[in-house]
Amino acid sequence: SQKIEQNSEALNIQEGKTATLTCNYTNYSPAYLQWYRQDPGRGPVFLLLIRENEKEKRKERLKVTFDTTLKQSLFHITASQPADSATYLCALFNQAGTALIFGKGTTLSVSS
Amino acid sequence: NAGVTQTPKFQVLKTGQSMTLQCAQDMNHEYMSWYRQDPGMGLRLIHYSVGAGITDQGEVPNGYNVSRSTTEDFPLRLLSAAPSQTSVYFCASTRRGGTNEKLFFGSGTQLSVL
Repeated sequence: SQKIEQNSEALNIQEGKTATLTCNYTNYSPAYLQWYRQDPGRGPVFLLLIRENEKEKRKERLKVTFDTTLKQSLFHITASQPADSATYLCALFNQAGTALIFGKGTTLSVSS
Repeated sequence: NAGVTQTPKFQVLKTGQSMTLQCAQDMNHEYMSWYRQDPGMGLRLIHYSVGAGITDQGEVPNGYNVSRSTTEDFPLRLLSAAPSQTSVYFCASTRRGGTNEKLFFGSGTQLSVL
C-alpha cells in the first residue's frame, strides 16, 4: 500500500526566512501530489496540486517541487510570516482514486 | 455556499453508547469520506462513498458504519463507542473520486469516549 512520510514533525524558523518541508512516498508513482494547510481546531485546507510532469509549481509565496525519481516533493514558503504558522500536510490519492492518503504533517512555527 | 457542514462540534459519550456524526455538503459532490485524526497518527480514512447508495471501507473501518442515501448527506455511526474511538473526526468531499481531485473538509467533530 502507499506510504507517505513527512520527515519533520516540527520546523521552527524566523520571519522572513524560507521554510522547506519534505514529503517522501513509496510503493507507487502517483500522477498527482497535493499539499494542505491545517490550523488548530480546523479541517485541512487545500493549497496546491502538482502533476508528475510538472517539476515545479508556484502560488504567491508558495512553491512545490515534485521529483518522481526521488519519490519526493518539497514545499517551500518564501519570506515566511508568523501567519504561516500551521501544520502542513502532504497527500496523494491511491491508484484507484478512491482514497486520499495523508502524511502525518509538519508543524511550522514562524517567530517574529 | 456552506461547503461541508459537520455536527456536532463536540461530543462526550460513555463507553457502549451509540451516536451518529452528521455530515452534509451543498456542492453536489459525488465523493464523500470520513477521517479520524489522532496525535502522532495523522489523518486516517474510515469510510468513503463515490455516490449515493455506494460506500466502502477505508483504512480503519472497525466500529463504524456509514450509509449514503442522498448525494448531500454522509452520516457516520458509532454502534458501541469505545475509548479507542476518542478522536477528532473530519468529513470531506470532492466532485468525484479521481487522483487529481482536491478535498473540501468540514470543521471537525471532537469526540471523547469515557
